[in-house]
Amino acid sequence: GQNIDQPTEMTATEGAIVQINCTYQTSGFNGLFWYQQHAGEAPTFLSYNVLDGLEEKGRFSSFLSRSKGYSYLLLKELQMKDSASYLCAVMDSNYQLIWGAGTKLIIKP
Amino acid sequence: DTAVSQTPKYLVTQMGNDKSIKCEQNLGHDTMYWYKQDSKKFLKIMFSYNNKELIINETVPNRFSPKSPDKAHLNLHINSLELGDSAVYFCASSQVPGEGTDTQYFGPGTRLTVL
Repeated sequence: GQNIDQPTEMTATEGAIVQINCTYQTSGFNGLFWYQQHAGEAPTFLSYNVLDGLEEKGRFSSFLSRSKGYSYLLLKELQMKDSASYLCAVMDSNYQLIWGAGTKLIIKP
Repeated sequence: DTAVSQTPKYLVTQMGNDKSIKCEQNLGHDTMYWYKQDSKKFLKIMFSYNNKELIINETVPNRFSPKSPDKAHLNLHINSLELGDSAVYFCASSQVPGEGTDTQYFGPGTRLTVL
């Protein structure tokens, strides 16, 4: 079966750095997405990785290792507004997005 | 200039009723989706649709049906609502997967409560 695993919840301090991991087992691979979802709101696109390596976008970076079925989202200089759920999703060989359950990130002052 | 919009934002109704949720996108995308997000926050694909193909998640009851009057709209019609249908329903759109940027853009969601 297809499976996306990520931690249920993480806590970090304002100004710090946090890494949210995602491991996946899917039928084929056509890219990995990270979305941010604030409570009561829609998921919003953060990043897309299809090749191995690190993609940096401001305070957020996303890393992919296809051979290990592994990705992480790195958030630097954490701000209170970064408190949200972070969803990892993999596009399989049928171009269907397989979603993880999300990681709830709690930022403390 | 909202990219993906849904109406209504909140819907409260009685068991057994029939209801529809509307979705419109102005991004020029060819593919639209409906997702259900339950209380455990898991996003589950219900349908993906473009003008060529409707893909239905086989676990979706046939009480749910997508209706697309044109490629900018994909409405979700639900017959005989049940308590377990209470959830947040998200519409999303993208270019045709595999033929360009596959990023999906989401509407604001419709919170459905069945009493």
